[in-house]
Amino acid sequence: KQEVTQIPAALSVPEGENLVLNCSFTDSAIYNLQWFRQDPGKGLTSLLLIQSSQREQTSGRLNASLDKSSGRSTLYIAASQPGDSATYLCAVRSGSNYKLTFGKGTLLTVNP
Amino acid sequence: DAGVIQSPRHEVTEMGQEVTLRCKPISGHDYLFWYRQTMMRGLELLIYFNNNVPIDDSGMPEDRFSAKMPNASFSTLKIQPSEPRDSAVYFCASRPGQGNGYTFGSGTRLTVV
Repeated sequence: KQEVTQIPAALSVPEGENLVLNCSFTDSAIYNLQWFRQDPGKGLTSLLLIQSSQREQTSGRLNASLDKSSGRSTLYIAASQPGDSATYLCAVRSGSNYKLTFGKGTLLTVNP
Repeated sequence: DAGVIQSPRHEVTEMGQEVTLRCKPISGHDYLFWYRQTMMRGLELLIYFNNNVPIDDSGMPEDRFSAKMPNASFSTLKIQPSEPRDSAVYFCASRPGQGNGYTFGSGTRLTVV
């Protein structure tokens, strides 16, 4: 059974700092991995998706990496802003099944 | 498109009552998912449908939970009878048959007292 763990559970940083969020998964036979953002009272918004054959994906100030063999992914946020404050969730899709297995998320607070 | 639409946004009910949550997926999306989010367990998949047919319901916690998708534009998740431990945020999501994009609704916050 796939299990996804995110560390840390919460992170508070000053504005402008670069930061890294971590995600690990127990079964390396994944199809892809996605990072989502969740704002309070809202649904999830997809940020980046990495296919199992890829090593990283970039979108603006966000960079996600994937090391499938070690079961790890990181989300790097450059020059953080208060608007980046949210919960960040990592989700793994295993095989042809469309089920996503989520971590519990990292609550990020960027202080002005 | 208005996205995935869930109703109600908030529901407070008494233990033992029947609760029905509703979802309208994005038009043209072949897959529909029901997730439950709690502080303790995070986001868990309850059930998903492909072309209105349930594919995987292994996450449905017990017989008190049932889900239907009578047509491509509507799904319901029903809890009968409801219990306090069912209190959570329930999300509906949909995705097309091709591509990787999942679209989530804003969720229904259920409180059972």
